[in-house]
Amino acid sequence: KQEVTQIPAALSVPEGENLVLNCSFTDSAIYNLQWFRQDPGKGLTSLLLIQSSQREQTSGRLNASLDKSSGRSTLYIAASQPGDSATYLCAVDNNDMRFGAGTRLTVKP
Amino acid sequence: ETGVTQSPTHLIKTRGQQVTLRCSSQSGHNTVSWYQQALGQGPQFIFQYYREEENGRGNFPPRFSGLQFPNYSSELNVNALELDDSALYLCASSPRAGGAFFGQGTRLTVV
Repeated sequence: KQEVTQIPAALSVPEGENLVLNCSFTDSAIYNLQWFRQDPGKGLTSLLLIQSSQREQTSGRLNASLDKSSGRSTLYIAASQPGDSATYLCAVDNNDMRFGAGTRLTVKP
Repeated sequence: ETGVTQSPTHLIKTRGQQVTLRCSSQSGHNTVSWYQQALGQGPQFIFQYYREEENGRGNFPPRFSGLQFPNYSSELNVNALELDDSALYLCASSPRAGGAFFGQGTRLTVV
């Protein structure tokens, strides 16, 4: 059974810092991995989708990497801003999507 | 191109009642999935529908059931509601290329 773990559970940083969120999974036979952002009480906004054949994806200040062999993914956020404050979730897809519990990020002005 | 929309946004039901939640898929997506998210946790997979057939199910009892319609919209039905069913219910549609795109969710409170 696929298990997805996200570390840290919570993170607080001053504005402008670069930061890394981690995601690990136990079954490497995945179709893809997806990073989401969730604001309190809201739905999930897709940030980056990495297909199993890819190593990384970039969108603006966000970069996500995937290492299937080690069961790890990282989400790198450059020059963080207060508007980046949210919960970040990673999900792996091998027939159904399994989510981590998320990392709650606070960026202080 | 319209995104995934869910209705209603909030709902309060009494224990033992039945509830139906609705989801309109993003245009061109023929796969829809439903998730339950308890407070402070990641979403848990309930089931998935592809071309009107159930195509996978998570660890949820049979009182959680669903439908997908020819226009790829979907319903989640929950019978005999329990207090622990209180959660945010999320619908996601998926294109053939993979990935999932979520609606804003329905907040269900069972009292």
